[in-house]
Amino acid sequence: DGGITQSPKYLFRKEGQNVTLSCEQNLNHDAMYWYRQDPGQGLRLIYYSQIVNDFQKGDIAEGYSVSREKKESFPLTVTSAQKNPTAFYLCASASLTEIQETQYFGPGTRLLVL
Amino acid sequence: DQQVKQNSPSLSVQEGRISILNCDYTNSMFDYFLWYKKYPAEGPTFLISISSIKDKNEDGRFTVFLNKSAKHLSLHIVPSQPGDSAVYFCAASGGNNRLAFGKGNQVVVIP
Repeated sequence: DGGITQSPKYLFRKEGQNVTLSCEQNLNHDAMYWYRQDPGQGLRLIYYSQIVNDFQKGDIAEGYSVSREKKESFPLTVTSAQKNPTAFYLCASASLTEIQETQYFGPGTRLLVL
Repeated sequence: DQQVKQNSPSLSVQEGRISILNCDYTNSMFDYFLWYKKYPAEGPTFLISISSIKDKNEDGRFTVFLNKSAKHLSLHIVPSQPGDSAVYFCAASGGNNRLAFGKGNQVVVIP
């Protein structure tokens, strides 16, 4: 059963703490993405990766870090430098071999600050 | 500056009637457009897409229309069903493997 999984579904962060959100896909997709959604807002791109061991900053990368050591995995770390981390985080993946790219999303992780 | 705009943030429609969602874009390099549906606390689900070489694409109850000269696209849902109640996002791509999203439209289908 192919798809994108994100864990945990809910995550709590204390002040000054780094937390890592997991994203795994078994679709054999080349590209993976992290978005943030805030109430009443669209999806804003944090980071994306088109190939293993390479990634690019999106529109709101400050306070976040990522790694892409495996094709299937693209974890996102929310660092203590991110002053407003409370949001719904979405991971997506896409095949770059298709003529037109369609991104497919995981179920999301809600991050809350204690 | 937002490149994809969805006005009229919410829409209420009677079950069985047509829902029409609109989306405007500013970047003339966009050549692929998508609509996603999202329920609360879930990830968006891909609905339908259209390439800039077409002006219409239909998939069951969903039809997307593209007017390139006006930089405008719309999503028609007919007939609307209660399960269509969700937030709908318009997205666009200019071939750089990135999508630009609008802020979404809340649709409420009244039984």
